[in-house]
Amino acid sequence: EIVLTQSPGTLSLSPGERATLSCRASQSVSNSYLAWYQQKPGQAPRLLIYGASTRATGIPDRFSGSESGTDFTLTISRLEPEDFAVYYCQQYDNSPTFGQGTKVEIK
Amino acid sequence: EVQLVQSGAEVKKPGESLKISCKGSGYSFTTYWIAWVRQMPGKGLEWMGIIYPGDSDTRYSPSFQDQVTISADKSISTAYLQWSSLKASDTAMYYCALDWYLDYWGQGTLVTVSS
Repeated sequence: EIVLTQSPGTLSLSPGERATLSCRASQSVSNSYLAWYQQKPGQAPRLLIYGASTRATGIPDRFSGSESGTDFTLTISRLEPEDFAVYYCQQYDNSPTFGQGTKVEIK
Repeated sequence: EVQLVQSGAEVKKPGESLKISCKGSGYSFTTYWIAWVRQMPGKGLEWMGIIYPGDSDTRYSPSFQDQVTISADKSISTAYLQWSSLKASDTAMYYCALDWYLDYWGQGTLVTVSS
């Protein structure tokens, strides 16, 4: 089973700042089968990125994903007030798993 | 418009059985996988398993194998998650979602198991 480790656990930033979230896989993720989700309190998660770097339908271009080996990154270029939430990565290569989440909070 | 509509909240006692549902609409139900995801109170997301309604091919996470059963009835475009004997530790929000990367999500079904 592929273990995903997200860091940091919490990111304290101000609106307008850049957010960089990390997701490290315990082994290679084939075909870049890595997705990112945003979850706000009381809501179902929302798909942001799939295939490591492809934005889902309707996702603003301030969200971007990248990959380097077993390291995956979600970048929010300029935080908007609605971006403060919890973010999860997920690999869907084989027996899908999620990371433990990163909370982006207002500083 | 793609929609996944889940059944309502449930309150059950330990040892009882339960089957919750997820009805798909706005797409071809038999040609997309449907996954189930657990979220325990205040915790993260856990992938439970997935079914292909076209032929009922089902895959489970090792953590949930033998703990739950996933099924689907393509005649009514509905997927199911069921337990034969609930435990207090099954208390959680359960989501259904479309495909291996979870493109569309249901609204969630809160299951509370308490004596």
